[in-house]
Amino acid sequence: ETGVTQTPRHLVMGMTNKKSLKCEQHLGHNAMYWYKQSAKKPLELMFVYSLEERVENNSVPSRFSPECPNSSHLFLHLHTLQPEDSALYLCASSQELQTGELFFGEGSRLTVL
Amino acid sequence: QKEVEQNSGPLSVPEGAIASLNCTYSDRGSQSFFWYRQYSGKSPELIMFIYSNGDKEDGRFTAQLNKASQYVSLLIRDSQPSDSATYLCAVTNTGNQFYFGTGTSLTVIP
Repeated sequence: ETGVTQTPRHLVMGMTNKKSLKCEQHLGHNAMYWYKQSAKKPLELMFVYSLEERVENNSVPSRFSPECPNSSHLFLHLHTLQPEDSALYLCASSQELQTGELFFGEGSRLTVL
Repeated sequence: QKEVEQNSGPLSVPEGAIASLNCTYSDRGSQSFFWYRQYSGKSPELIMFIYSNGDKEDGRFTAQLNKASQYVSLLIRDSQPSDSATYLCAVTNTGNQFYFGTGTSLTVIP
């Protein structure tokens, strides 16, 4: 496999469910990111990891919990979400931290009922 | 004030014409500027970056940066229907924070 892969591509969950989004990058990059994309809004940076260490958490509600077990894998654990959390969640990686040259996965489309 | 602003469009141009996409940014000290293309239902893909004032050309694409006026633009020459997508402008500011605009939707009409 090449690039950045995300699973699942689509997820429907109830407000009381617990689920996880998975991201894997095969590029040998040192930084990984979670972004949220909602209609008519700019991409919102949620979390940044550099060499498995979280370096940024942009005031994201605690119902979103990231995990980076190694430099190739990134998870976003979801629990007790709200309908307004429905969005496209994009994982990205870059060679170095905050270079602006991001490689995105195809995204996980989340719907919260 | 938003860090990065773009006209959401939609912008429609006929096939073969020049498409001009514009972006302004608020932090005068911003150093790095990027254009991403996002096809419907797909993820963003980096197509151009520019760091210095002036023009940077790559095939049919030209990025233009004017730091004094705080705008960056993307020109697409000989527009093709396959160029129809949303184009996202992104900027790294003086705090090394990275911001995206909301994107401009481009439609190239055959």
